[in-house]
Amino acid sequence: QVQLVQSGAEVKKPGASVKVSCKASGDTFTNNDVNWVRQATGQGLEWMGWMNPNSGNTGYAQKFQGRVTMTRNTSISTAYMELSSLRSEDTAVYYCARGRGSNYFDFWGQGTLVTVSS
Amino acid sequence: EIVMTQSPATLSVSPGERATLSCRASQSVSSNLAWYQQKPGQAPRLLIYGASTRATGIPARFSGSGSGTEFTLTISSLQSEDFAIYYCQQYKNWRTFGQGTKVEIK
Repeated sequence: QVQLVQSGAEVKKPGASVKVSCKASGDTFTNNDVNWVRQATGQGLEWMGWMNPNSGNTGYAQKFQGRVTMTRNTSISTAYMELSSLRSEDTAVYYCARGRGSNYFDFWGQGTLVTVSS
Repeated sequence: EIVMTQSPATLSVSPGERATLSCRASQSVSSNLAWYQQKPGQAPRLLIYGASTRATGIPARFSGSGSGTEFTLTISSLQSEDFAIYYCQQYKNWRTFGQGTKVEIK
């Protein structure tokens, strides 16, 4: 059974960076893209970008270009999402999700709450 | 960016009744459309991909239809566990989500 397990909650100050991890198990890590989606409290889902764990290629939503970096460590089947220059509006639950086909998401991590507060 | 618009924002339905949710794309996404269910405090769950293919383990009461710009998710007979928020997502051109439809108990 595919599982994506994310790192724990974070509290950051405005202007700082946060790095969230997503460890995959139950399937070959390099076979499928990893996507990141966030959700502010009481709001909808917002796609941030994707990464191909095999090549390391990435694609970021325009809104996050220049602030987000997606990387991976294939030796430990883990993907990372780093968001910089944090502001209060970045307070949200961040999810990793496995991409299938042309990228719908069939397995999701449990989510990581990132709180940005002074 | 392709904008996805869902309607209605909230749907009040009695258990056992049919629910019909709509999703419209600002330009054609062909059949590159997925539906997700999300319950409070949980990650979304994939229901439908390719506009009409049920994901593994999804009950037959969930069905998807449509192509191009107009899509529908139908829940044929609502069960108590189906009251949740439903999102559509296009993956034709990058990926974008609709704003969600909340299905609540009438």
